[in-house]
Parts: sequence; C-alpha cells; structure tokens
Amino acid sequence: DADVTQTPRNRITKTGKRIMLECSQTKGHDRMYWYRQDPGLGLRLIYYSFDVKDINKGEISDGYSVSRQAQAKFSLSLESAIPNQTALYFCATSDTSGSRTGANVLTFGAGSRLTVL
Amino acid sequence: QKEVEQDPGPLSVPEGAIVSLNCTYSNSAFQYFMWYRQYSRKGPELLMYTYSSGNKEDGRFTAQVDKSSKYISLFIRDSQPSDSATYLCAMSGNYQLIWGAGTKLIIKP
Repeated sequence: DADVTQTPRNRITKTGKRIMLECSQTKGHDRMYWYRQDPGLGLRLIYYSFDVKDINKGEISDGYSVSRQAQAKFSLSLESAIPNQTALYFCATSDTSGSRTGANVLTFGAGSRLTVL
Repeated sequence: QKEVEQDPGPLSVPEGAIVSLNCTYSNSAFQYFMWYRQYSRKGPELLMYTYSSGNKEDGRFTAQVDKSSKYISLFIRDSQPSDSATYLCAMSGNYQLIWGAGTKLIIKP
C-alpha cells in the first residue's frame, strides 16, 4: 500500500457541487499539506497542518476548507466548486525531523484529478 | 516576478546525452535546494537536496547550487528514457517550500 493515499483519483463534477478529497498516510508524519498543480504554475499550497489542532492557510486558500480528523487523515473540501478549481490536487506529508535539518522533505500522494464542468 | 523561475520546456534530448536543468531564484534567505521528479500520473518524489552552496552527487545525478548567482542546476549524465519526467526545483529557508513550475524532460531512445 502507498504511504500517502488519496481518494478519489479522478472526479468530474458540476459547478456548485460540494466536493471532498481525502488523504490518509501511514508514514506517521505529523505534518500534512494540500497542494494544487496547474500547468505552467507549478505546485501552490492551499492549506497545511502541523498537527491535529494546528491548521494554516496557504497562498491560495480561498474557496477551500480542510479538516484534520486524525494525525493520519487530512481532507480538503470545495464547498461550491467552480470551473477554475479544475486541477490536479496533491496531499503531502513531512515529519519534524525536517525541523532539525530545515530541509522539510515532502512525501506526496499520487494525486486527485478534479474536473469542474 | 516569481520567487523561483524554471523553464517549463519541454526539453528533448537523445539517450546518453548530458542534461542540464536549471532554476533561478530571488530570495537570498533560501538555504535548502531540492529537486523532485514527477512521472506522468504520479506525485512528485524527492530526487536529492543540497544545503547552501556547492555540489552533491548521487549516481548519474549532480545537484549544483551557486548562491552568489541565485542559480541552481541538476545535471543528469548518460540520460536514459526512464529519466523522462517533469523535474521540479523547490527551495526553503524556514520550512515553507517555494516551487518552480517544473521542466518537462523527454529522453529519446
């Protein structure tokens, strides 16, 4: 099984629908992230969480919300999907050993491709 | 201007060639410089990272950082078709990562 699992892998939905993307990890990492990837724009951070009680906005959080249900689970919600939220979404994890080195190495899931019509 | 600039490519080279992938950046506070490789329909995976200036070698891959020029490079020797992927640079100075847009690399057999 993958260390970081994202569901669903692909989803097509309509404008205005509520969508939830789920992420679970078996790495035992305390930090979890949601990114979106668009062609030519690279990875942009939506939300991140350093532990269950610590949730922070990233650079593009508008229109998104998150829930950290447990150390191993971090879900991303689009309350009312719009077409410009069509993108590839990645969940990632890292652990606090990065705080000793400063490198903050991320482990990514395989991605969730979302299409909003 | 983006904090990290990376040519999106695609860069197409014949098998066996030496490949040079590059990123420039503007924030002198960056201390860690990373290269991730992303295959089609997969998430990025860490290839290697370097702290501050200098070179780091891992098999056919060499990462190079020139902080005075704010320029980093990834060299791939004896490139193989299996190296075809998108390569993303990333940098951090305080645990937050700033990403380049990624360069799509195609190695032709």
